[in-house]
Amino acid sequence: EVEMTQSPLSLPVTLGQPASISCRSSQSLVYDDDGYTHLNWFQQRPGQSPRRLIYKVSNRDSGVPDRFSGSGSDTDFTLKISRVEPEDVGFYYCMQGTHWPYTFGQGTKLEIK
Amino acid sequence: EVQLVESGGDLVQPGGSLKLSCAASIFTFRSNWMSWVRQAPGKGPEWLGNIDKDGNRKVYADSLKGRFTISRDNARNSLYLQMNSLRAEDTAVYYCARDPYSSDYGYGMDVWGPGTTVTVSS
Repeated sequence: EVEMTQSPLSLPVTLGQPASISCRSSQSLVYDDDGYTHLNWFQQRPGQSPRRLIYKVSNRDSGVPDRFSGSGSDTDFTLKISRVEPEDVGFYYCMQGTHWPYTFGQGTKLEIK
Repeated sequence: EVQLVESGGDLVQPGGSLKLSCAASIFTFRSNWMSWVRQAPGKGPEWLGNIDKDGNRKVYADSLKGRFTISRDNARNSLYLQMNSLRAEDTAVYYCARDPYSSDYGYGMDVWGPGTTVTVSS
């Protein structure tokens, strides 16, 4: 099973300031069958279901603001928020879809300072 | 808008069984892989398994040890999760989710339902 490790686990951010979350996998997430890296990022606002923000490292899902961006390769990945807004409060999870079983990181709690 | 709605969550005694359902609307259910994910209180999501478009291929998380079974009925646009030998640690919100399962749109859940709560307690 691929282990996903996120940091930090808690992220206090001032409104309007950038935020960055790191995610590291225990093995390469490059999928042999298609050559893509199936690393996803999810946001979970308080009391809501998770919502996918990013797939294949850097592709934003429909409706996701462009202040969210993903980057990285192989085993090291980053989610960045260029300017944090109030509605960004919640948990963020990385998840790999390259290897079965899919596995999630522990989550990063983003809060406003 | 694509919709998934889970049902069937309940309070059940340890050792008991429960079957969850997920109704899909708007999107072409039969054209998509589907997953079940759960989230225990105060914890992160845990992927339980998925099922291919026709229901012929199923993959499960090792932690389930054969207690859970995923199935689907494409004629009814429905996904199911049969849970047996339930334990206190199975207490969680259970979500069904669509998995694009494609090189174009990724491997990982892009649409989620609101979840249904399962509580295992005597």
